[in-house]
Amino acid sequence: DADVTQTPRNRITKTGKRIMLECSQTKGHDRMYWYRQDPGLGLRLIYYSFDVKDINKGEISDGYSVSRQAQAKFSLSLESAIPNQTALYFCATSDSPGQGSNEQFFGPGTRLTVL
Amino acid sequence: AQSVTQLGSHVSVSEGALVLLRCNYSSSVPPYLFWYVQYPNQGLQLLLKYTSAATLVKGINGFEAEFKKSETSFHLTKPSAHMSDAAEYFCAVSVYNFNKFYFGSGTKLNVKP
Repeated sequence: DADVTQTPRNRITKTGKRIMLECSQTKGHDRMYWYRQDPGLGLRLIYYSFDVKDINKGEISDGYSVSRQAQAKFSLSLESAIPNQTALYFCATSDSPGQGSNEQFFGPGTRLTVL
Repeated sequence: AQSVTQLGSHVSVSEGALVLLRCNYSSSVPPYLFWYVQYPNQGLQLLLKYTSAATLVKGINGFEAEFKKSETSFHLTKPSAHMSDAAEYFCAVSVYNFNKFYFGSGTKLNVKP
């Protein structure tokens, strides 16, 4: 079974709709991240969380919100989707410094299209 | 602040030829550097990482990278390209607390038969 899973894998929605993307991990990592990937722009950080009570904005958090329901679950919400939020979204996890490999582990991605 | 620049959004090589993907970083403190690969319709997978040990780092699938502080570079190489190497490659930088990872814009590698 995959260590980092994302649901759904693909979603098409309409402008103004509320959308939730979910991420679950079985790696036991404290840190979780949400990125979006756009062609030619690489990965940009939306939000990150270092534990259940710690949520931080990334470089492009406007229009998004997150919820860390448990150590293993980190959800990304688009309260009112707009077309320029069409992108590939990735969840990632990592150990705390000194606890492990100091790399990020990625889920398979969610392709979101906003019409 | 940290940042990463990948020169060349698309690189095309012939099968069996040398692969060279360029990455330059900017960091105000000693960096940790990573190369990730993304195959079509998949997430990112770690190829190799530099975390202040040996400056020449060997990764999976025959790739390696050399950390050159004087040039602020961490270029990825492979002596002989295979068709299966066709993918998008991302360079990333972090620092001692690994709070954030900063990714480059990616380089798509095309391997011609």
